[in-house]
Amino acid sequence: DGGITQSPKYLFRKEGQNVTLSCEQNLNHDAMYWYRQDPGQGLRLIYYSQIVNDFQKGDIAEGYSVSREKKESFPLTVTSAQKNPTAFYLCASTLGTGYGSTEAFFGQGTRLTVV
Amino acid sequence: DAKTTQPPSMDCAEGRAANLPCNHSTISGNEYVYWYRQIHSQGPQYIIHGLKNNETNEMASLIITEDRKSSTLILPHATLRDTAVYYCIVRVGNTGGFKTIFGAGTRLFVKA
Repeated sequence: DGGITQSPKYLFRKEGQNVTLSCEQNLNHDAMYWYRQDPGQGLRLIYYSQIVNDFQKGDIAEGYSVSREKKESFPLTVTSAQKNPTAFYLCASTLGTGYGSTEAFFGQGTRLTVV
Repeated sequence: DAKTTQPPSMDCAEGRAANLPCNHSTISGNEYVYWYRQIHSQGPQYIIHGLKNNETNEMASLIITEDRKSSTLILPHATLRDTAVYYCIVRVGNTGGFKTIFGAGTRLFVKA
């Protein structure tokens, strides 16, 4: 079955450590996205990538980094520079870019807790 | 970028229709209206989308006003499983790419 997979589902990190969240899709989608969600809030865009080896900052990119070396993979690294990293992280993908009616598919999320 | 306004919460009795409103008064001609929902601690799920005409699928109906400044998502026979946060978003884009803006949404409580 085609879909988008995030791992792990729960992640604990000590302060000062970098941690990488995995996102893999087998939908052959060109574009992929990372969002952050805090309790009771909507989704905020961290980074997005429209094509392999290219990505752009979203609204809250500070303290995060990404790579897009393969079409199916878009890992997110939460660095020690992120002041408040505890949150629910969601990865999504879409077929293409620009205007259009393609829907976004979401993973089930990774809940990161800094201890 | 067009933004949306939704009520923070709504209640609905099980078996009745749930009508969720959304205002998007700054929507431009090429932008679609999308609805997603998010059940607690899961990723958002696509429900329906439309440009100008009303749309219906197996999950819901979408009614868009003629001036496209507002829309209503209709769940015809709400069940307890429909309790979730519902997001109304407008697709934005530029020559380089695409961004989806999710606000706080409407928290729908379906009650027995």
